[in-house]
Formats: sequence, structure tokens, C-alpha cells
Amino acid sequence: DVKVTQSSRYLVKRTGEKVFLECVQDMDHENMFWYRQDPGLGLRLIYFSYDVKMKEKGDIPEGYSVSREKKERFSLILESASTNQTSMYLCASSSPQQGSGNQPQHFGDGTRLSIL
Amino acid sequence: SQQGEEDPQALSIQEGENATMNCSYKTSINNLQWYRQNSGRGLVHLILIRSNEREKHSGRLRVTLDTSKKSSSLLITASRAADTASYFCATDAWDKIIFGKGTRLHILP
Repeated sequence: DVKVTQSSRYLVKRTGEKVFLECVQDMDHENMFWYRQDPGLGLRLIYFSYDVKMKEKGDIPEGYSVSREKKERFSLILESASTNQTSMYLCASSSPQQGSGNQPQHFGDGTRLSIL
Repeated sequence: SQQGEEDPQALSIQEGENATMNCSYKTSINNLQWYRQNSGRGLVHLILIRSNEREKHSGRLRVTLDTSKKSSSLLITASRAADTASYFCATDAWDKIIFGKGTRLHILP
């Protein structure tokens, strides 16, 4: 069974702190994604990666960066946390595109991050 | 860049009844996927339907796709309390998957 593990379920940080959210998958997936989920706004894509050391901006990359040094690990970094980054953060992974298009994504259980 | 939009936003039905959720989208797609999210958890993939398919079944789930109307529906038959969750459609817009805002389904005992 595919397992995507996010390092923390709940996290509380202070404004201005540098915050690291870690995600590890065990299915040897090439693709990894970071989303944030807010009430009324659904899931919004922050960054994604199709290979080690590769990263692409999603729809809302401002204030975030990512790191993918190993295939199984994709880290989201909040450079200087702000209160508007309080949210649920979801990590996902998937196999590469095939003939039928983008493959289903497998999600972790999320990190609920509060910035005080 | 919202693509899929679910309807209704929220739905409450009695246990044992069927639940139908709809998804409309704007541009052409490669495939369309449905996901479920239980409260406080991540999304779980339910079913993928390709653009050249019209209907697909998986257990108590039935998904239809009408590319001429740019819409899809998810039917859950004989609902159970455990079906209480949010359901999302995700459209494969070639370069990435875009999630809708979801339908909150509540099954009443």
C-alpha cells in the first residue's frame, strides 16, 4: 500500500520563523506535490517536482520554497512564516504521466500549521 | 486557475439512500478523477475515468462523464455512515491536475 508520511499532524510556530514541513513517500514515485487547503478555497498547488533536484512553481508559490534532494523526500519551507500561512498543508505523490494522462495522487494526512 | 466545480456544496441524506454529486469543468480534459476526504485526513483516490469513457463502476460507486457537456457525476448507492466525507473532482488539464472545492456529504442515521 502506498504510504505518504508527513512529519507532523499539528504544528504551531511564530511569525518570522523559518518552518520546515517534511514529506516522505515509499512507492518510488517520481512526482511529488505540496498543496494548502483552506475553507472555501479548496486545494491550491504550491510547488511540485517531477524528479530529484527538480522543482516547479504551482499556483501560489510566494513565501514558500521546496527541496528535493532524494527521490522519496519533498520538503516545503516557509522562509519567514506569516499569519496568512496558517493552513492545512497536504503532500502528495504519483507515478509519471502515462497514456491516460496524469496518474492518481496519493496524499499524506496533512499538517495543520498555525502561525501565531 | 479553478477548473472543476462540484455541485451541490453540501448534501445530507438518510442512510441507505443514494447520493449524487456533480462536477462541471471548463476546458478539455485528459481524464477526470474523484477523491474522498474524511475529516482531518488526506484525500483518497476513488476512481479515474478517461475522456473516451462514458461510465465507470467501482463497488457502490458509479461515475459518468459527458465531455460534450463538460460534466461528470459521482453516484454512491446504498449510502452508509462511513460515506460521510468531502468528495472532490479533479480534472487532468494535461499539464497538471486541478481540484474542485468539493461536496460535503453527510449521511444521517
